[in-house]
Amino acid sequence: AQTVTQSQPEMSVQEAETVTLSCTYDTSESDYYLFWYKQPPSRQMILVIRQEAYKQQNATENRFSVNFQKAAKSFSLKISDSQLGDAAMYFCASATGGSEKLVFGKGMKLTVNP
Amino acid sequence: NAGVTQTPKFRILKIGQSMTLQCAQDMNHNYMYWYRQDPGMGLKLIYYSVGAGITDKGEVPNGYNVSRSTTEDFPLRLELAAPSQTSVYFCASSSDRGQVTEAFFGQGTRLTVV
Repeated sequence: AQTVTQSQPEMSVQEAETVTLSCTYDTSESDYYLFWYKQPPSRQMILVIRQEAYKQQNATENRFSVNFQKAAKSFSLKISDSQLGDAAMYFCASATGGSEKLVFGKGMKLTVNP
Repeated sequence: NAGVTQTPKFRILKIGQSMTLQCAQDMNHNYMYWYRQDPGMGLKLIYYSVGAGITDKGEVPNGYNVSRSTTEDFPLRLELAAPSQTSVYFCASSSDRGQVTEAFFGQGTRLTVV
């Protein structure tokens, strides 16, 4: 069974600064995928970034990047140049290959201070 | 671009009542899912479907039923509503291109059982 753990329930960051959100996971599968989803107050779940476990290179999407440490089963999200619109709940999730079913962490609330 | 459409957005039910949450997607995705999100928790999988006529249980299926008669629609039925079913419900869909891709979510249904 997969598990995803987000141990920090809340974080805050100053606008324009950098913040790192942590996530650890556990799986016995070799083929799996990791995700960060953003949920603003509108409730809409929005994909931020996706990482294939078989790829050693860390995924990046504009101001968002991950630090994928496979041996440590760690998958942190770095947000650079934080913007007010980044304020949201952030969920780490995993899925095994061929399954498509997401397992989510409990989420972390990010506040961006002007 | 409608994506995944859920109706209704809000609903209050009395204990013992039944209702159907509607979900439709226009992206021709074979995979569809129902998740529930309880306060302070991540999303948990209720049911999923890999194609028309095929459904299977997720992590928390008790008290729910689903059907998938078409590729587009995946309704979730609540029978004999209980206060424990108070939650936000999300429908999602994804393609099946051989690797786990982005799941697209509806805007959620906030259900309160009183």
